[in-house]
Amino acid sequence: GQQVMQIPQYQHVQEGEDFTTYCNSSTTLSNIQWYKQRPGGHPVFLIQLVKSGEVKKQKRLTFQFGEAKKNSSLHITATQTTDVGTYFCAGSVIQGAQKLVFGQGTRLTINP
Amino acid sequence: GAGVSQSPSNKVTEKGKDVELRCDPISGHTALYWYRQSLGQGLEFLIYFQGNSAPDKSGLPSDRFSAERTGGSVSTLTIQRTQQEDSAVYLCASSLPGQGYRESYNEQFFGPGTRLTVL
Repeated sequence: GQQVMQIPQYQHVQEGEDFTTYCNSSTTLSNIQWYKQRPGGHPVFLIQLVKSGEVKKQKRLTFQFGEAKKNSSLHITATQTTDVGTYFCAGSVIQGAQKLVFGQGTRLTINP
Repeated sequence: GAGVSQSPSNKVTEKGKDVELRCDPISGHTALYWYRQSLGQGLEFLIYFQGNSAPDKSGLPSDRFSAERTGGSVSTLTIQRTQQEDSAVYLCASSLPGQGYRESYNEQFFGPGTRLTVL
């Protein structure tokens, strides 16, 4: 079945350093979504990417969708303590499909 | 507006007992999902309801797990004869019908979860 792999599993950085998490799918994706889960909280939607090679930015966060639509990345520039949490990617195989396959997440911790 | 709500927020039960977890999705959301998240782990898909279609039960780990959705709204996840390995946070999410390329249209809204502890 479809698998979505996410690396690294954990990342610890100093405040102000950059952070990147990578997501790879075994199959071509229709779209990919990113979620953030704060410690003790529930996942919250960040963004959806649909087009091959798409790049979207939200302030210090940059999201990319690969040309082959099988991989994606989230890059945070100059991390802040508020960025702490676990970042999940989630992919949909079928266009317009609701069911998502989630990656295992990357837990980001930050040393202030 | 009101988000996804789940009850109870915490449930402690003894091994072998049955438990029911409830999810109230956002009004108008036809899609509803159940996930399981063990401590420090990712989201494990359990089951997905979409409107009046037959649910996708492909993620249910055993026949002790079942779920229903009444009237296209509230859903109940039932775990029979609970085992210690069932201990986890059970998350419910809902979303609007998918429209393919429309921005954020497939966004899933998560509830706060039910933390289940099986002693």
